[in-house]
Amino acid sequence: SQTIHQWPATLVQPVGSPLSLECTVEGTSNPNLYWYRQAAGRGLQLLFYSVGIGQISSEVPQNLSASRPQDRQFILSSKKLLLSDSGFYLCAWSRPPDHEQYFGPGTRLTVT
Amino acid sequence: DQQVKQNSPSLSVQEGRISILNCDYTNSMFDYFLWYKKYPAEGPTFLISISSIKDKNEDGRFTVFLNKSAKHLSLHIVPSQPGDSAVYFCAASKGAQKLVFGQGTRLTINP
Repeated sequence: SQTIHQWPATLVQPVGSPLSLECTVEGTSNPNLYWYRQAAGRGLQLLFYSVGIGQISSEVPQNLSASRPQDRQFILSSKKLLLSDSGFYLCAWSRPPDHEQYFGPGTRLTVT
Repeated sequence: DQQVKQNSPSLSVQEGRISILNCDYTNSMFDYFLWYKKYPAEGPTFLISISSIKDKNEDGRFTVFLNKSAKHLSLHIVPSQPGDSAVYFCAASKGAQKLVFGQGTRLTINP
């Protein structure tokens, strides 16, 4: 069976500090990978998605970047965090050509 | 531009009764629709989906209805149970790459 891991579960970072969130998927190969953010009281906003190693599509211009160094690893980064980067970050995977996406447990990021 | 809308931020239903969650969309190119359930501080869990070539899909207590002419879909939960209390998101896709999510509806099941 497939499993998706995200870490850390919670993170408190000062404004201007760097960020690195990691996501890994087990039990499947060549998945599509996604990063979403849920701001307080809001829906899920797609930030980045990847259909293969080194292939990243950005959905929203922002202070964040993503990388996919390995087939089942997806990393979300920032060089300098802003207060507005606070939120609940979710990684997800899907198996093409299926539409269903499966989410990890999420990372709660608070920028102070 | 909100392509997928859930106009009810919250819904309260008595245990054992039917819960009906609604979702509207604007993009007629969407070809697949999904419902997710989310508990606080957890990732969303996939519940049920429907292709645009169908108008109904059923899985146990959960049924999704799609009305393409009205660009409307709904999720029916019968009978509602306390464990169904969560935030429900509808989502739509055009091709199997990206999902567009609604804002979510908080469902509370009262004993």
